[in-house]
Amino acid sequence: SQQGEEDPQALSIQEGENATMNCSYKTSINNLQWYRQNSGRGLVHLILIRSNEREKHSGRLRVTLDTSKKSSSLLITASRAADTASYFCATDAPSGTYKYIFGTGTRLKVLA
Amino acid sequence: DTEVTQTPKHLVMGMTNKKSLKCEQHMGHRAMYWYKQKAKKPPELMFVYSYEKLSINESVPSRFSPECPNSSLLNLHLHALQPEDSALYLCASSLEIPRAEKLFFGSGTQLSVL
Repeated sequence: SQQGEEDPQALSIQEGENATMNCSYKTSINNLQWYRQNSGRGLVHLILIRSNEREKHSGRLRVTLDTSKKSSSLLITASRAADTASYFCATDAPSGTYKYIFGTGTRLKVLA
Repeated sequence: DTEVTQTPKHLVMGMTNKKSLKCEQHMGHRAMYWYKQKAKKPPELMFVYSYEKLSINESVPSRFSPECPNSSLLNLHLHALQPEDSALYLCASSLEIPRAEKLFFGSGTQLSVL
């Protein structure tokens, strides 16, 4: 299975702290994406990093990618209560079949 | 318009019922997807349509029947479902490049099979 594994499964932090979640995957990829899902809702695209990139920033988000270790991390800085959600990484298959597979997810809770 | 609209938001059906889930987007996307998500689990890919043609079927049971009548609409017809099919069903769309680089998701249909 191509499915990524994320850790931790759950993370609870205080508002203002940084949150780091990790994603590991099994096969080579073209790109890796991170999505956020509020409880019972659809997923929202956060950021994409291509296989030839090592780091990318978007606002309070920082994503790194290590293709040699087949892993990625998502850092949310200065977290807010509104960041409480589940975060999923998603990887595509190199064959370009639109087959995006989601990782197991990290449930983040930011305490006010 | 950057929305993917799914209807209904909630659906309760018996195992002998026939129902349909609907998904609509007006972003000009030519790839559309159905995902199934159980509670506290990641979305699992079910079907992918590209240019209104079914391109991926992830070995989904035949009681789920997808349909893409045009480039803006995607349906999922349900028949003789089982209680274990209760889940959140998510529709998504993306540009067809060939590699899509961003999925736009609807809010989902929460399905309960009694």
